[in-house]
Parts: sequence; C-alpha cells; structure tokens
Amino acid sequence: GENVEQHPSTLSVQEGDSAVIKCTYSDSASNYFPWYKQELGKRPQLIIDIRSNVGEKKDQRIAVTLNKTAKHFSLHITETQPEDSAVYFCAASIRGGANNLFFGTGTRLTVIP
Amino acid sequence: GAVVSQHPSRVICKSGTSVKIECRSLDFQATTMFWYRQFPKQSLMLMATSNEGSKATYEQGVEKDKFLINHASLTLSTLTVTSAHPEDSSFYICSARGPGGGYEQYFGPGTRLTVT
Repeated sequence: GENVEQHPSTLSVQEGDSAVIKCTYSDSASNYFPWYKQELGKRPQLIIDIRSNVGEKKDQRIAVTLNKTAKHFSLHITETQPEDSAVYFCAASIRGGANNLFFGTGTRLTVIP
Repeated sequence: GAVVSQHPSRVICKSGTSVKIECRSLDFQATTMFWYRQFPKQSLMLMATSNEGSKATYEQGVEKDKFLINHASLTLSTLTVTSAHPEDSSFYICSARGPGGGYEQYFGPGTRLTVT
C-alpha cells in the first residue's frame, strides 16, 4: 500500500517568516494530494490540495508544489501568523480507486509572535 | 455544504462493554465513508472503508469482529467497538467522500473514547 513520509515532525518559526513542510509518497498511482490543518481535539480541515496533473497551486499565503517524478510534494506557508500554529498533515490518495487517504505523520508548527 | 457530524463527541465506558459511534452526512449523500483512529500526537490511521449497502473493507491489522461497521443508509455509518479494552481508548474520526464522489473527503468532528 501507499506509504507517506512527512518532515519535519516539529517546526518553529518567527511570525512573518515562511514555513515549509515536505512529504514523499511511494505509490506512483497516487494522484491526489491534500493538506490538512488540525487543531487540538478538532477535526482535520482541508487547507489546500493538488492533483497530479498540476505542478503547483497557490491560495493566498499557502502554496503546494508537486514533483511526480521524485514523488514528493511540499506545503509552503508565507508570512506566518500565530493562528497558523497547529498540526499539519499531508496525505495521498488514488482517485478512481477506493479513494483512501494515506496520511503522513504530521508536523507540529509553532509560530512565535 | 458537505457537513459531516459524529455522535457522541465523548464517551467513557467500562472494559468489556460495547460502544456505538454514529457518523452522518448532513446535507449530502455519501456512498462511501471512512473510519480513522488517531492516538495522541499521532497521525490518522485508516481503519476501514464503509460502503452503503455492502460489507466494509478493513485495513490490515484491524479486527473486523471487534470494530463492527454498518453503513445502512446513504447518510449514516456506524462504528461499534465491541468488548472495549483500555487500549481501544483513542480519537475516532469518520469522513465521507464529497457530493458526487469527488476527490475531497469531509471529516466529522471526532469521538473521544475512553475505556476504563
């Protein structure tokens, strides 16, 4: 099955700096890569996603890049704010199959005011 | 739109008893729902895929006789933890594939199960 690895496990940045979280996946058939933000005790919230026919996608301060050849994708958050502090999970899925989401291990982001 | 609810949000039960958790899609029909378990400070682990009108598909290592899943309608899937043990204590989250079977999954708010 799919194996998704995520780095780093923890990340601290100063407010206003950028944060980058990286993930790799193992199954070349995966074609959908969402990113979720989860606050303590809450449900995961989708913040951005990318499909395999696109190399980059941006939504205001958040961007995701995908390198299909290398099987890795990254989340970039610019101009970080304290409210960005949370745990972020990447995931991979094969659209058209069972559509199961395989999650990375998570990154705890702390934005220091 | 695409709201998923879960009930209860928290439950405490004694060892050996069974607990049922409900997952509902409130404003759309979900032919496929997913059940995840999340231990503290860990990732979400897929337990099973629940398909309306058919048997659930369990991930390797998940006991289907212990975690009973029923997806009896297009808006409701239930997870029953049978003969619960303290090691079953966890955060259980369901999700549903979006309207029209799209890419996105919509997550419920989760259920915190504590087995004493």
